[in-house]
Amino acid sequence: DAGVIQSPRHEVTEMGQEVTLRCKPISGHDYLFWYRQTMMRGLELLIYFNNNVPIDDSGMPEDRFSAKMPNASFSTLKIQPSEPRDSAVYFCASSSPGQRGLNEQFFGPGTRLTVL
Amino acid sequence: GDSVTQMEGPVTLSEEAFLTINCTYTATGYPSLFWYVQYPGEGLQLLLKATKADDKGSNKGFEATYRKETTSFHLEKGSVQVSDSAVYFCALGPYSGGGADGLTFGKGTHLIIQP
Repeated sequence: DAGVIQSPRHEVTEMGQEVTLRCKPISGHDYLFWYRQTMMRGLELLIYFNNNVPIDDSGMPEDRFSAKMPNASFSTLKIQPSEPRDSAVYFCASSSPGQRGLNEQFFGPGTRLTVL
Repeated sequence: GDSVTQMEGPVTLSEEAFLTINCTYTATGYPSLFWYVQYPGEGLQLLLKATKADDKGSNKGFEATYRKETTSFHLEKGSVQVSDSAVYFCALGPYSGGGADGLTFGKGTHLIIQP
């Protein structure tokens, strides 16, 4: 299996621009998570989906952030408009807890976003 | 709410030294516990896990035991190598009997092993 795939790996943009991050989860996984990593706040859960449906978006910082999962193999995280404080590494992860409920998540390589 | 506290780094050791990275947690119910490792420029990789009290997770010479009485999950390795240099994250995931929730992570401990 190719693992969780994220694109782009690096993104540099200017304040006010729209940014779209992409994720392809591991095939067969029914949960998908978006995390943000910063030096100040560490790793934070932004939102997660189950069977393409958003379950908990309480970690999304504000209305500038939105996430979608149109099908089981693709998700996007969009920031519009972007601000310098959005600069961070954004990780996508997927899991398939099954009946055992084991919440073992598999992470992608991350997208390093820099907003100038 | 759930939380994870782990020792701040960086932790600097010499090769072949004994390693302990402390991790304690606060959670309701019976969470699963994990250690993830992040090498420079890469995503997080699962290092080991434990799903119930007294379980011992182990992988690549690393071990951690789920201690419910002390709400701890300390990471240990008997003899570290330069290649173990990375950032280590302790995390918990609530057990939800078939479902899943996002993981709660500690701040991470940067480990530096010197030859």
